[in-house]
Amino acid sequence: EIVMTQSPATLSVSPGERATLSCRATQSVSSNLVWYQQKPGQAPRLLIYGASTRATGIPARFSGSGSGTEFTLTISSLQSEDFAVYYCQQYNNWPNTFGQGTKLEIK
Amino acid sequence: QVQLQESGPGLVKPSETLSLTCTVSDGSVSNYYWSWIRQPPGKGLEWIGYVYYTGRTNYNPSLKSRVTISADTSKKQFSLKLTSVTAADTAVYYCAVISDGYYFGDYWGQGTLVTVSS
Repeated sequence: EIVMTQSPATLSVSPGERATLSCRATQSVSSNLVWYQQKPGQAPRLLIYGASTRATGIPARFSGSGSGTEFTLTISSLQSEDFAVYYCQQYNNWPNTFGQGTKLEIK
Repeated sequence: QVQLQESGPGLVKPSETLSLTCTVSDGSVSNYYWSWIRQPPGKGLEWIGYVYYTGRTNYNPSLKSRVTISADTSKKQFSLKLTSVTAADTAVYYCAVISDGYYFGDYWGQGTLVTVSS
């Protein structure tokens, strides 16, 4: 099973600033990686697939990059609604596996 | 707009079988992976498995001996059965339909909390 490790566990950022979240895989997942945003009491929301393609309706301030084992989610200018938990998930090898999440909180 | 709704008991006794159903409405999701994912309270997400529209299933090896996922495409429903549950199976259970490669996105239910307790 591929283990996904996200860092940091918690990230404190001020509104309007940039946030950079990292995700690492224990073996290559090519570009078969998605990013989700989850708010309390809600289901995860797909942000990015294929490591770098924004899902339908996702604002341009969200961008994904990376391939192989190292991935990054960048939020260019944080809005109040962006404070949430973010998960990466690989779908290159079954079972699909999630990272443990990064909580993005207001500084 | 595709909508999903989980249904089933919110409380299951240890050693018994957890059974949930997901009903899909408003949209075509024939070529999607009909999936179950769970999240223990305050923790991260875990894939349970899926049934593809062809009937092919795939289960997380960590749960494979206890899981069955099946679908009734005519009713646009799919179900999860997890046997011999313990407190470790207490979680919010989500059903989701996921397009191949996520190219056409995914849709999730709101989730249902299932507590395993006597």
